[in-house]
Order: sequence, then C-alpha cells, then structure tokens
Amino acid sequence: NAGVMQNPRHLVRRRGQEARLRCSPVKGHSHVYWYRQLPEEGLKFMVYLQKENIIDESGMPKERFSAEFPKEGPSILRIQQVVRGDSAAYFCASSPPVAGANVLTFGAGSRLTVL
Amino acid sequence: QKEVEQDPGPLSVPEGAIVSLNCTYSNSAFQYFMWYRQYSRKGPELLMYTYSSGNKEDGRFTAQVDKSSKYISLFIRDSQPSDSATYLCAMNAGGTSYGKLTFGQGTILTVHP
Repeated sequence: NAGVMQNPRHLVRRRGQEARLRCSPVKGHSHVYWYRQLPEEGLKFMVYLQKENIIDESGMPKERFSAEFPKEGPSILRIQQVVRGDSAAYFCASSPPVAGANVLTFGAGSRLTVL
Repeated sequence: QKEVEQDPGPLSVPEGAIVSLNCTYSNSAFQYFMWYRQYSRKGPELLMYTYSSGNKEDGRFTAQVDKSSKYISLFIRDSQPSDSATYLCAMNAGGTSYGKLTFGQGTILTVHP
C-alpha cells in the first residue's frame, strides 16, 4: 500500500513562471491537504480538498495560488507567476473519511526553488 | 504571538538519555494533540496522537497533555541515534477543523553515540 506520492520532488522555476505540484493520496483516502514549510518555520496549513470540492482554503494566499482534486487523477497545487518568496517545501497529506479524518499521512514533499 | 510555541533547539543529547520536548499553545479550543517526527528532506511521520488531557505511552515514547496549563510534552526514553530528527507538535480543535493542524516550529534533536 503506497503512501502519499508527491511529484516532482524538486522543482526549479524562474520568477514569473508557473509551478504545478501533484499529489496522489493513500489509496482509499478521500481527503487531501496541502501544507507549506518555509525555511526556519513550521508547517502551515494551506487548503483542504475532497474529490471535486474545496472544503477550506483559508490558508491559501489570495492571489496566484490554486488547488484542485479532480474526480480522476491526483490533486494539483498550482502557483502562477512564482516569486522568490514562494520557495519552500510543499507537503501534501491525506486522511481517510470520517472517523480517521484527523490522522494525516504526509508525503515526502515537493521542494520549490524560485530563481 | 504564535498560536503554538515550540523551542527550536537544537537539542543535543548522548545516547540513552531521556529527552523532553515541549510546546505551549494559546487556543483553548484545541483538543487533539499530535507529535510528528521529520527526518531531513522527508515528510512528517505521526508518532503520537492524543485527545484532551492525560498521558499516552507507546514504547519509548510518552505524550503528556495538560490543558489547564496549555502545555504538551513528548518524552523519549533510552534515546537512540536513530531518534535524531526534527520533532513537531501539532494540534487542532477537531470537528470541522479535522486535518487542519496548527504546528509548532519544530525542535531539532541530535542523539550522539
């Protein structure tokens, strides 16, 4: 049973380019979360999605960031027109529905570097 | 003031020592408390999960929660070099905030042989 799979593991973009980060949750998990870890800081919640629905995006920056979890395929975190401050590790986590929803399994992260 | 405060360390101890890691928090609505371990360049891995106040033991690890003081601890007995990692406390209020965790900054622990 594979864990949470994230790709790419490392991504380098120049300022103004777009970054797309993908996340496949644990098989059977229907809840997906994205967290960001800036250098010298803890993990910060960004967004919570279920299939085809954004449940809570209170941690997402208002501009340039979007997330989706389509009916088929992985969840995508999209960052448009990247800036140097977007350089961070982005972690995806998943959880089973209902009773286990508070127990998160994290992926290994995608490390974005903006030049 | 941050909602969750955690001493970033770094903490360096000899093998076999008892390690104490701590977090304080300000949000009295928090009811679920977790400790994650994160190795370098890896994702966080859940170590302990507790609800409300009290103690929970799992092998060499003991988690304590004191809601009256808004203080949680993780104790590691007989520490091993393989315990060297960053330890993150996390918590939330549950309910509609399931999965939406507030993390501490993390404490870097090194256990030397």
